[in-house]
Amino acid sequence: AQSVTQPDIHITVSEGASLELRCNYSYGATPYLFWYVQSPGQGLQLLLKYFSGDTLVQGIKGFEAEFKRSQSSFNLRKPSVHWSDAAEYFCAVGSLSGSARQLTFGSGTQLTVLP
Amino acid sequence: DADVTQTPRNRITKTGKRIMLECSQTKGHDRMYWYRQDPGLGLRLIYYSFDVKDINKGEISDGYSVSRQAQAKFSLSLESAIPNQTALYFCATSVGLAGNEQFFGPGTRLTVL
Repeated sequence: AQSVTQPDIHITVSEGASLELRCNYSYGATPYLFWYVQSPGQGLQLLLKYFSGDTLVQGIKGFEAEFKRSQSSFNLRKPSVHWSDAAEYFCAVGSLSGSARQLTFGSGTQLTVLP
Repeated sequence: DADVTQTPRNRITKTGKRIMLECSQTKGHDRMYWYRQDPGLGLRLIYYSFDVKDINKGEISDGYSVSRQAQAKFSLSLESAIPNQTALYFCATSVGLAGNEQFFGPGTRLTVL
């Protein structure tokens, strides 16, 4: 069965500082990986996705993520955080085939941005 | 207009009442999902449907039922609501390809007293 671990429940950074949110997955085949963001009172919005090819993927709002197969990781990064980035972030793993007929989400990382 | 809509957006009900949450989509996607979100637990899948004739239980289906009335509509019912079903409920859609990239509605906040 597939699973996703987000080790950090809550992260606090200062505005302008760099950010890295960690995500580790478990899946036997080639995974499809996603990062979603949930702003307060909102639904989930897709930030970026990895299906194949270049392991460094660019997303919206200046975010990027790097797929590292050897570490089973898909960490999300942003060079300079803005106050509007305060939100909850979810990593998810899916697949086109096999038993993974749906997305599996991590438990989320809450990001607080200090002025 | 939003591609995935959910009604109602907020609902307060009492223990034992029957509740239906509705989801509609204009994306033309064949797959639809219902999740619940609880603090610290992320999103957990309740039910999913890959087409009108295909309904599947997810991780936490006990106490819930669903109906896929049409390709664009997927309803979630709580036959007899209980307080631990208080949560934020999300509907999502996807196409069969693209690794199940899902598109989410705005959510329904349900409180069971």
